[in-house]
Amino acid sequence: GENVEQHPSTLSVQEGDSAVIKCTYSDSASNYFPWYKQELGKRPQLIIDIRSNVGEKKDQRIAVTLNKTAKHFSLHITETQPEDSAVYFCAASKVGGGADGLTFGKGTHLIIQP
Amino acid sequence: ETGVTQTPRHLVMGMTNKKSLKCEQHLGHNAMYWYKQSAKKPLELMFVYSLEERVENNSVPSRFSPECPNSSHLFLHLHTLQPEDSALYLCASSQDGVAAGGQTDTQYFGPGTRLTVL
Repeated sequence: GENVEQHPSTLSVQEGDSAVIKCTYSDSASNYFPWYKQELGKRPQLIIDIRSNVGEKKDQRIAVTLNKTAKHFSLHITETQPEDSAVYFCAASKVGGGADGLTFGKGTHLIIQP
Repeated sequence: ETGVTQTPRHLVMGMTNKKSLKCEQHLGHNAMYWYKQSAKKPLELMFVYSLEERVENNSVPSRFSPECPNSSHLFLHLHTLQPEDSALYLCASSQDGVAAGGQTDTQYFGPGTRLTVL
């Protein structure tokens, strides 16, 4: 089955700086890669996703890049703000075969230092 | 925030008890999921239902028994659990695009049930 590795497990950056979180996946058939943000005591919420027919997607301060050959994808947050502090999870699944469960990475605890 | 709801939000049970977790989605989706979130482990997929039929069972012990009576409701029946089953149980829903002729859409999560097994 699919295996998703996520690094780093903890990331501390100064407010205003950029943050990058990286994930790799094992199943070359995976073609859908969402990123979720989970604040303490709250549900995971989708912040951005990318499908394998594109290499990059951007939404304001958040961007995701995908390298299908190397089987890795990354989340980039620019101009970080205190409210960006949370745990971020990457995930992968195969779309097109019916309802697909997501395989998640272990999460990255992002800390924004004021 | 109210698209997917779960009850109860917190549950404490003994190893010999039987309890059920409930999930309800108000988004018109046709696929529902159970995930387990433990400390220091990634979110783990447990069960997938599409159009009320189970399409995936991720080698989950039989002490967890799912039920999907209709496309809006999903239950997880619990019996004779172990302390290591203590975790946050998250429900999610999505629109199964294949069933509807397109791509599978985003999964939306409920707030979870925090389960403690004594």
